[in-house]
Amino acid sequence: DGGITQSPKYLFRKEGQNVTLSCEQNLNHDAMYWYRQDPGQGLRLIYYSQIVNDFQKGDIAEGYSVSREKKESFPLTVTSAQKNPTAFYLCASTSARSSGNTIYFGEGSWLTVV
Amino acid sequence: DAKTTQPNSMESNEEEPVHLPCNHSTISGTDYIHWYRQLPSQGPEYVIHGLTSNVNNRMASLAIAEDRKSSTLILHRATLRDAAVYYCILRALDSGGGADGLTFGKGTHLIIQP
Repeated sequence: DGGITQSPKYLFRKEGQNVTLSCEQNLNHDAMYWYRQDPGQGLRLIYYSQIVNDFQKGDIAEGYSVSREKKESFPLTVTSAQKNPTAFYLCASTSARSSGNTIYFGEGSWLTVV
Repeated sequence: DAKTTQPNSMESNEEEPVHLPCNHSTISGTDYIHWYRQLPSQGPEYVIHGLTSNVNNRMASLAIAEDRKSSTLILHRATLRDAAVYYCILRALDSGGGADGLTFGKGTHLIIQP
């Protein structure tokens, strides 16, 4: 079945470490997105990519980095520059060609700083 | 980017209809109206979307105002499983023909009383 997969589900990070969250989709979608969600809050856009080898900053890109070397993959790195990284991270994908197309989300990744 | 406004929370009784409003007064002619819902610790899931006409599916109905500046998600007979955060978003095509950054607000927290 087609879908979008995030891993790991739970991740612990020590202060000063970089960690990478994986996001893979087999839906042949052009556009992929990363969101951060804090408890009781909405989704805030970190980065998005409309095409391979291109991506744009969202509203809260500082302390994060991404790459889009393959259409299927859009990994997010939480760098040591992100001072408060503990949050729920969501990856999404959709077709970039039609704004009527459904947005698919992964199940999310919980990141905790220890 | 066109934004949406939703009430922070709403409460309803089980087996009664629920009407969730969304205002989008700056909507443009090419913006689709999408609704998603999110259960705790899960990624959002698609509910329904539309452009101009009212839409129905097995989950819900979407009523779009004639001027398109507001819409209402209708759950015809709420169950406890419908308790979630509901997001109303606008999907637009940017000037380059690709999808935009997909901005989500805080959504409406729907509480269902047994």
